[in-house]
Amino acid sequence: NAGVMQNPRHLVRRRGQEARLRCSPMKGHSHVYWYRQLPEEGLKFMVYLQKENIIDESGMPKERFSAEFPKEGPSILRIQQVVRGDSAAYFCASSPTGLDTEAFFGQGTRLTVV
Amino acid sequence: QKEVEQNSGPLSVPEGAIASLNCTYSDRGSQSFFWYRQYSGKSPELIMFIYSNGDKEDGRFTAQLNKASQYVSLLIRDSQPSDSATYLCAVNTLDSNYQLIWGAGTKLIIKP
Repeated sequence: NAGVMQNPRHLVRRRGQEARLRCSPMKGHSHVYWYRQLPEEGLKFMVYLQKENIIDESGMPKERFSAEFPKEGPSILRIQQVVRGDSAAYFCASSPTGLDTEAFFGQGTRLTVV
Repeated sequence: QKEVEQNSGPLSVPEGAIASLNCTYSDRGSQSFFWYRQYSGKSPELIMFIYSNGDKEDGRFTAQLNKASQYVSLLIRDSQPSDSATYLCAVNTLDSNYQLIWGAGTKLIIKP
């Protein structure tokens, strides 16, 4: 049973480009969470999704950021027109239930905006 | 605003000693408490979670919860150099049971 898979592990984008981050949850997990971590800081909740539904996106910036978790395929975190302040590690976690009790994390995508 | 506070450290502990990591939280409605370990450049990994007041032991790790004082701690006995990492405290509250509130982490260094 593979763990939570995120790709790419490292992503470099120029200002103004789009970044697409992918997350495949563990088998049997239908709940996905995205977090952002700035250097020397804790994780900040961004969005919580179940299959085809956004449950809570209160942690997502109102503009340029979007997330989806289609019926088939990985969850996608999309950042349009990236700026330097978007540089961070983006972690995806999945769980079999929505209680965050046993959320397993992927290895993260480290986005660098140049 | 709900907050989780941790001393950023670094906390330096000699090998074989007990490392004590502390975390305080602001929301009295908090119900579940988690300790994650994060090595530099890696993802967080769950060490322990605790729901009830008191101690919970798992191997060399003991989580302690005091809801009246709103703190949770993690003790690491017989500290090893491989325990050197950043330890993140996360709290799950009553009104948002799927959204963890995270502390910024305490960097622990175990000196051989």
